[in-house]
Amino acid sequence: EVQLLESGGGLVQPGGSLRLSCATSGFTFGNFAMDWVRQAPGKGLEWVSSIVATGSGTFYADSVKGRFTISRDNSKNMLFLQMNSLRAEDTALYYCVKVRSQDAFDIWGQGTMVTVSS
Amino acid sequence: QSALTQPASVSGSPGQSITISCTGTSSDVGSYNLVSWYQQYPGKAPKLMIYEVRLRPSGVSGRFSGSKSANTASLTISGLRAEDEADYYCCSYAGGYSYVFGSGTKVTVL
Repeated sequence: EVQLLESGGGLVQPGGSLRLSCATSGFTFGNFAMDWVRQAPGKGLEWVSSIVATGSGTFYADSVKGRFTISRDNSKNMLFLQMNSLRAEDTALYYCVKVRSQDAFDIWGQGTMVTVSS
Repeated sequence: QSALTQPASVSGSPGQSITISCTGTSSDVGSYNLVSWYQQYPGKAPKLMIYEVRLRPSGVSGRFSGSKSANTASLTISGLRAEDEADYYCCSYAGGYSYVFGSGTKVTVL
């Protein structure tokens, strides 16, 4: 069974940092691009970041560019999101997502909540 | 990237068909046949329902179908059932390994 399990969320002050992790299993992790998608409370989905299968290419939404860094460890089947200079508007449930083939997000984790507040 | 435009809500009676529109631009929906649709129940993670405009993943009911014309994609749910009551989001590839989601539509089964 394919599984994605996020961790690392929590309460952080504005300007602070958090590192999210996503443990994956049930598929050949190194063959697929992976993404982070977030959802603010009561709001819609927002694409955050993508990383290609090899890790050699990373891409970001304008809203997080320069503050967030996506990375992966293919030897451990893990995906990460380093979030710096956090703002109140970054408050959201962050989903780890497997990309089917650059065309859709076919597997979603249950999400980890990030709250940015003083 | 601005969110794709979806109606805030759509409703229908059991057995009816409903269609949810998803309007983007020539830079996203209009440029790529890479539109996907997601169903989300309250408190749950989204589920892929349609990919590449009209293809269904294994296990998704044939009552769900997708289409696209110019900058607008559509999701049609036929034979509406109580279990279809959920939020639905469209998503389009926008080039450069980036994606844009729709604003979301709440489907209510009357």
